[in-house]
Amino acid sequence: EDQVTQSPEALRLQEGESSSLNCSYTVSGLRGLFWYRQDPGKGPEFLFTLYSAGEEKEKERLKATLTKKESFLHITAPKPEDSATYLCAVQGVTSGTYKYIFGTGTRLKVLA
Amino acid sequence: NAGVTQTPKFRVLKTGQSMTLLCAQDMNHEYMYWYRQDPGMGLRLIHYSVGEGTTAKGEVPDGYNVSRLKKQNFLLGLESAAPSQTSVYFCASSLQGARGDTQYFGPGTRLTVL
Repeated sequence: EDQVTQSPEALRLQEGESSSLNCSYTVSGLRGLFWYRQDPGKGPEFLFTLYSAGEEKEKERLKATLTKKESFLHITAPKPEDSATYLCAVQGVTSGTYKYIFGTGTRLKVLA
Repeated sequence: NAGVTQTPKFRVLKTGQSMTLLCAQDMNHEYMYWYRQDPGMGLRLIHYSVGEGTTAKGEVPDGYNVSRLKKQNFLLGLESAAPSQTSVYFCASSLQGARGDTQYFGPGTRLTVL
């Protein structure tokens, strides 16, 4: 069964304390893995797309990496404004139809 | 360029009432999607559309109907609202639904059914 599991569910960091969020997945025919940021009361905001194992993408303090079974979102020296829920999603294909499966997210709180 | 917009932002219904949620996108995307987001659960696909005039069922379609009469608009209808439909509803769009195609989301509609 196609599935996306994110861990931890919640994470509290001090400002400047680097850490990583995990996204483990099983999917038929991975076509892409996506990271989104979601602020309270708002829609998910696109961050990265990764296509194949070994790929990495960076944006400011965020770096996403991908292996055959999981992805990590590394946050270097986070600031309070990085506080949000981070969602992971995978795109798979079944019978020629693309589908997206979302994880439940990691709630990140960065304390000043 | 507004991206994906949704109306209304909030709504309270009584059980049995009906309503329509409107999603609009100005990115000329072919694919549009309706999701619901509930605490402790990932975004779940209700219905989607691969182009003007076409719709298809997603993971949780029961109790909802959709229409895509114009490419830029995707409507989600609740014919007889139930408390189980209390949720936050998100619309999304993507260029073609192809490999690695990114979905862009609207701001959401918070619906409460009493």
